[in-house]
Amino acid sequence: ETGVTQSPTHLIKTRGQQVTLRCSSQSGHNTVSWYQQALGQGPQFIFQYYREEENGRGNFPPRFSGLQFPNYSSELNVNALELDDSALYLCASSLDRTPYGGYTFGSGTRLTVV
Amino acid sequence: TQLLEQSPQFLSIQEGENLTVYCNSSSVFSSLQWYRQEPGEGPVLLVTVVTGGEVKKLKRLTFQFGDARKDSSLHITAAQPGDTGLYLCAGLGQFYFGTGTSLTVIP
Repeated sequence: ETGVTQSPTHLIKTRGQQVTLRCSSQSGHNTVSWYQQALGQGPQFIFQYYREEENGRGNFPPRFSGLQFPNYSSELNVNALELDDSALYLCASSLDRTPYGGYTFGSGTRLTVV
Repeated sequence: TQLLEQSPQFLSIQEGENLTVYCNSSSVFSSLQWYRQEPGEGPVLLVTVVTGGEVKKLKRLTFQFGDARKDSSLHITAAQPGDTGLYLCAGLGQFYFGTGTSLTVIP
């Protein structure tokens, strides 16, 4: 079975620009969650999509938006980038919203805003 | 938001030593999961504990879920350099991860 694939792996953007990060979920998984992670810290929850609908949202401003497609892949869009948006962005897929089998994470996209 | 506090935040030990990592909350969880994240990778699930007082063993790792289901611990026996990583706890279905414990095992 294929795992979670994120693209791109690294990205450098200028403050004020917009960025789109992509995630292909593991085969058979219908739920995708996005996290922002600073170095050495726990991932911060951005939002979760279940069967193309937003199922929960963390404490992030509206300029963070997302989408889940019929094939359960997902995008994270960030508008008006700020320097503090520099972080590792992780995508995680799961079999459902309360996964006893855990989340399957991708390796992340390292975003640097300059 | 159900805050999960982990302690210690950083831990650096010699190979062969034992260690314990704690995950505490003021809220009750139905189940709790532990993950390990290695540099450059996403977190990987280690275990799910579901019953208060439950103890699960995974080779040299022992996980315990508190009786009140508000806390959990991870004990590593005879740590090895391969145990190095960021250890994270998470309440099942709660979206949120703990603050993390960064472990370095020195050969």
